[in-house]
Amino acid sequence: QKEVEQNSGPLSVPEGAIASLNCTYSDRGSQSFFWYRQYSGKSPELIMFIYSNGDKEDGRFTAQLNKASQYVSLLIRDSQPSDSATYLCAVSDRGSYIPTFGRGTSLIVHP
Amino acid sequence: SAVISQKPSRDICQRGTSLTIQCQVDSQVTMMFWYRQQPGQSLTLIATANQGSEATYESGFVIDKFPISRPNLTFSTLTVSNMSPEDSSIYLCSAETLRANEQFFGPGTRLTVL
Repeated sequence: QKEVEQNSGPLSVPEGAIASLNCTYSDRGSQSFFWYRQYSGKSPELIMFIYSNGDKEDGRFTAQLNKASQYVSLLIRDSQPSDSATYLCAVSDRGSYIPTFGRGTSLIVHP
Repeated sequence: SAVISQKPSRDICQRGTSLTIQCQVDSQVTMMFWYRQQPGQSLTLIATANQGSEATYESGFVIDKFPISRPNLTFSTLTVSNMSPEDSSIYLCSAETLRANEQFFGPGTRLTVL
């Protein structure tokens, strides 16, 4: 049973701070890692993907992957109230194109 | 990326009836999926919609309850049959583009069964 674990939160950070969202996964064969943002009442939106160990930056977002520790994180710099949403981590392995989703972490950025 | 539309966006249905949800993608995609999401919960995969063949269902979901069609590479339907209040949920269609493993979601169909 492949598992993807996330703290459900809510994670509350002040505007302008760095929000750090964490995700662990059970399958060592996992190759692809995704972060989705889901606003309340909306569908998930893909915001980042990472395939290799290390950091990947895209604007205010940085995804960090550590396959040895089976850990992937998402950093949001200069957090804005508009970043308030649920962030879903998803993981898939080489043999499957179907990712396993975590339950999501609720992020609240307060002014 | 892929732009995905779903119809209807929401519906209120009576117990025992069936509803068919349509999903249209603006480009050819390799794979299409149907998910269910209860309020405050994560995504539960119902099935993979295979083009030209029977859908592949996840544990706990059966074809008689959730028949799926995918007549071509850009369109799929999900039917929720013989509905009960427990079927009330948001149903999401997603598609995977040729860029491996990246899934994009439709806006969802909010179903309420009375």
